[in-house]
Amino acid sequence: DSGVTQTPKHLITATGQRVTLRCSPRSGDLSVYWYQQSLDQGLQFLIQYYNGEERAKGNILERFSAQQFPDLHSELNLSSLELGDSALYFCASSGRGQGAYNEQFFGPGTRLTVL
Amino acid sequence: GQNIDQPTEMTATEGAIVQINCTYQTSGFNGLFWYQQHAGEAPTFLSYNVLDGLEEKGRFSSFLSRSKGYSYLLLKELQMKDSASYLCAVRNSGAGSYQLTFGKGTKLSVIP
Repeated sequence: DSGVTQTPKHLITATGQRVTLRCSPRSGDLSVYWYQQSLDQGLQFLIQYYNGEERAKGNILERFSAQQFPDLHSELNLSSLELGDSALYFCASSGRGQGAYNEQFFGPGTRLTVL
Repeated sequence: GQNIDQPTEMTATEGAIVQINCTYQTSGFNGLFWYQQHAGEAPTFLSYNVLDGLEEKGRFSSFLSRSKGYSYLLLKELQMKDSASYLCAVRNSGAGSYQLTFGKGTKLSVIP
């Protein structure tokens, strides 16, 4: 158990809909990262938040947005969903003093299926 | 931009040794990580290299050559439970982000 929690574990929805994925980082970690993993792609970095502020952006679509709240939990919002958005979405966290190398600890993921 | 290459699949025999290679091209290098990921599960941290050389950790070792943009993960005394994908990831320190760029992973199958 990495200490990172994600909900829900599974999500099935229809094209055009909007969903929200939630992540709670390890205690004390200030950074939260979101990744998308589909069958034919590796882990694709989407976005990073540090202590409530956006720190870095990767290959995140305009239909996707995220935020980190004062209690450090984060939400990833996916809208106007398309079939191609079906993937595993991972959240990871890291922070000063958490882990010898400031490595990222991954949550169990949310499996999104768009029908 | 970043580019990370690793073999797509490898097969090895239980009890043997296997080496998984990773080559990368990146800017702002701030370390290389190896993660293990079983199918449908979260990646878990295996090793970290930031200086050239070999880091040993039980049955797992990782090597880095920054000048060659090359790393490998060495797994000894393979066990069936080592069947998983192994992800090479490079950390960049641009703008204080410390984001990771992952390769597509090497799926290792351990056979009896």
